[in-house]
Amino acid sequence: NAGVTQTPKFQVLKTGQSMTLQCAQDMNHNSMYWYRQDPGMGLRLIYYSASEGTTDKGEVPNGYNVSRLNKREFSLRLESAAPSQTSVYFCASSEVQFNTEAFFGQGTRLTVV
Amino acid sequence: GENVEQHPSTLSVQEGDSAVIKCTYSDSASNYFPWYKQELGKRPQLIIDIRSNVGEKKDQRIAVTLNKTAKHFSLHITETQPEDSAVYFCAAKWGRGSYIPTFGRGTSLIVHP
Repeated sequence: NAGVTQTPKFQVLKTGQSMTLQCAQDMNHNSMYWYRQDPGMGLRLIYYSASEGTTDKGEVPNGYNVSRLNKREFSLRLESAAPSQTSVYFCASSEVQFNTEAFFGQGTRLTVV
Repeated sequence: GENVEQHPSTLSVQEGDSAVIKCTYSDSASNYFPWYKQELGKRPQLIIDIRSNVGEKKDQRIAVTLNKTAKHFSLHITETQPEDSAVYFCAAKWGRGSYIPTFGRGTSLIVHP
């Protein structure tokens, strides 16, 4: 059982470049999330998708876009990367009919130079 | 949205001591409170959770207590071991009817042998 799978695991971008982080889950969860983790700041919500076909902004959405491609996949796009987007990114998923835990991907360490 | 405050940011204990991490939340509608452990370079993983109809829950050396009136919940680890060293995150519900985890900033627990 793979759970939540993110790609890539590491990435270095130059300022102004674009990239897409991919996330897929095989647990049939309705909700998926993208977080960024910075030292001392915890896990901050970038965007979420409560169900297939819907997306909403979280706490720190500026500079990002998302696509809920289908129930399994939720991608995060950086259109024009900035050094302030250097971070570790986590995708997560959970079921929402009942309050249950969120399952995380292995993370993507992104450096923007 | 929900606001979760977590203290302390760093906690250093000797092996065998107890450790307590405290969190407060703002949304009185929150009813699910998970705790996650994140080892260095790894993804956050659930270690224990509590729902609002329960005041305390234990799992071996780990316990969580919840005070809904005061809007705070705590993680208690007894007989700490070096492998308990990690970052611990509390979380609470946020969102319009959906469970969207809002996390505290994390506590770095260091257990000295």
